[in-house]
Amino acid sequence: EAGVTQSPTHLIKTRGQQATLRCSPISGHTSVYWYQQALGLGLQFLLWYDEGEERNRGNFPPRFSGRQFPNYSSELNVNALELEDSALYLCASSLFLGPPSEAFFGQGTRLTVV
Amino acid sequence: QQQVKQSPQSLIVQKGGIPIINCAYENTAFDYFPWYQQFPGKGPALLIAIRPDVSEKKEGRFTISFNKSAKQFSLHIMDSQPGDSATYFCAASSDSGGYQKVTFGTGTKLQVIP
Repeated sequence: EAGVTQSPTHLIKTRGQQATLRCSPISGHTSVYWYQQALGLGLQFLLWYDEGEERNRGNFPPRFSGRQFPNYSSELNVNALELEDSALYLCASSLFLGPPSEAFFGQGTRLTVV
Repeated sequence: QQQVKQSPQSLIVQKGGIPIINCAYENTAFDYFPWYQQFPGKGPALLIAIRPDVSEKKEGRFTISFNKSAKQFSLHIMDSQPGDSATYFCAASSDSGGYQKVTFGTGTKLQVIP
């Protein structure tokens, strides 16, 4: 069975541009979580989607947004890119309100803003 | 704000040594304490987890020690191997409310020298 897959693996953008990152959850999982992993800061919670709805967001500005499609895959959009947005963006999937022990991460998208 | 403080930031040990990574938490409502292992270019993977009703849990060469009164927990890697070189994250959450409730430490980069 396929795990959580993310694309692209690497993305290089110029400051001010928009970036779109994609995530496909494990089959049967309806919840997708997005995290930002910046150097030295651990994993910071960005967004949680379930059944196509945004359920919660972390302490990030509105230029970080996303959506979830009927097949439960998800997109993270980052508008007006800033240099400090350079980070590894991870998504994880789980059942709705499933236990943390049964959430799984993808390999991440490395976003570099120049 | 709920926090999980992790130390050290980086650690170098020789093969066969026992690296120890420490974490401290504040929220007494946390009841699930996982550790994640992340190799370069990969997403974090659940390594081992403990609940506060036990003081120690072992899985292979990995051991979690838990001190509920001190609100601290630690990861010990017995007979460490170069293949254990990775970044390790501790985390804490309640087992309800979904994965969005998981709070991560800032990570420890471990290097095991042959």
